[in-house]
Amino acid sequence: NAGVIQTPRHKVTGKGQEATLWCEPISGHSAVFWYRQTIVQGLEFLTYFRNQAPIDDSGMPKERFSAQMPNQSHSTLKIQSTQPQDSAVYLCASSQTNSGNTLYFGEGSRLIVV
Amino acid sequence: QQQVRQSPQSLTVWEGETAILNCSYEDSTFDYFPWYRLFPGESPALLIAIRPVSNKKEDGRFTIFFNKREKKLSLHITDSQPGDSATYFCAASANNYAQGLTFGLGTRVSVFP
Repeated sequence: NAGVIQTPRHKVTGKGQEATLWCEPISGHSAVFWYRQTIVQGLEFLTYFRNQAPIDDSGMPKERFSAQMPNQSHSTLKIQSTQPQDSAVYLCASSQTNSGNTLYFGEGSRLIVV
Repeated sequence: QQQVRQSPQSLTVWEGETAILNCSYEDSTFDYFPWYRLFPGESPALLIAIRPVSNKKEDGRFTIFFNKREKKLSLHITDSQPGDSATYFCAASANNYAQGLTFGLGTRVSVFP
């Protein structure tokens, strides 16, 4: 049983360029979350989908960041005009709605903006 | 302001000792408190969790002690092993559904043989 799959594992992008990160949740999980991990801020909640619908994006920076879940098998996080402060590990997690609050995390996408 | 605070930032113990990790929170509506463990190069994974109906939850060498009145909890790792060396995150959420867990900044634990 495959876990949450994230691609790419590593991405280096130039300042001002766009970065798109992909997440494939565990099959059958209806909740998908995006978190950002940095040394300073720890694990920051970004956004969350339930049954593909956006539920809570309160953690998303209002500009330049967007997330979508076009189907139940994948979600994307897009960062436009990347800045050095966007450098972080972006973690995707999924959860079954009927199993409480256990999040299953992917291995993350490390984004470096130079 | 950090809604979930952890201390210490880092902790070093010798093999066999008990490691104590502290966590406090602000939001009194939080009703679910999981601890996630992160090994270097891996992804965070659920270790143990507690709900406020209990003030203690035990799983092997890992025990959560919960004080609802003071909004504090702690994770005790007894008989610490080198394999326990990892970063431990305290988290909290305000409803019985996996909706935007709020994480603390983590405590890095190092266990020396």
